[in-house]
Amino acid sequence: AQSVTQPDIHITVSEGASLELRCNYSYGATPYLFWYVQSPGQGLQLLLKYFSGDTLVQGIKGFEAEFKRSQSSFNLRKPSVHWSDAAEYFCASGGSYIPTFGRGTSLIVHP
Amino acid sequence: DTGVSQDPRHKITKRGQNVTFRCDPISEHNRLYWYRQTLGQGPEFLTYFQNEAQLEKSRLLSDRFSAERPKGSFSTLEIQRTEQGDSAMYLCASSPLAGDPTGELFFGEGSRLTVL
Repeated sequence: AQSVTQPDIHITVSEGASLELRCNYSYGATPYLFWYVQSPGQGLQLLLKYFSGDTLVQGIKGFEAEFKRSQSSFNLRKPSVHWSDAAEYFCASGGSYIPTFGRGTSLIVHP
Repeated sequence: DTGVSQDPRHKITKRGQNVTFRCDPISEHNRLYWYRQTLGQGPEFLTYFQNEAQLEKSRLLSDRFSAERPKGSFSTLEIQRTEQGDSAMYLCASSPLAGDPTGELFFGEGSRLTVL
């Protein structure tokens, strides 16, 4: 069965600093991988997705993620964080019609 | 607005009462999913439909939970004899392609249930 691990429950960064959120997946075949963002009281919004091809994918709001098969990782990055990026971030894997989500990482942005 | 719509957004009920949530997916989407999200956790899969067929329901949390999608359009999630542990956000999502296993989901804003 596929699973997704987000090892960091909370991440705190200063506004303008770079960001990396970690995600590890467990899936036998080529995974379909996603990052979603959830603002308080809201549903989830897709940031970016990886299906195949170029392992560095660009998403909305200046985010990018890199798929590394050797490390079973799909880490999310942003070069300069804005205060509005404070939210909950979820990594998910698909490929079996039932997407599986990690527990999420809460991003706190200090001014 | 052509996004996923959920109703009600908030529901407060007393233990033992039945509740029903409704989800209207994006109109051309074949697949519809229900997830539950508790505080500090990621979405937990409950069930999903392809058109009107419920293809996976073994992960519904108990026999008090049931879901329908009678005409392949909107869906309802019912919880009977609610318990305090049912308090959570119930998320609906839809997916556009019937034969695509990619799992990209479009979420509604959720229905928050509080059981007193």
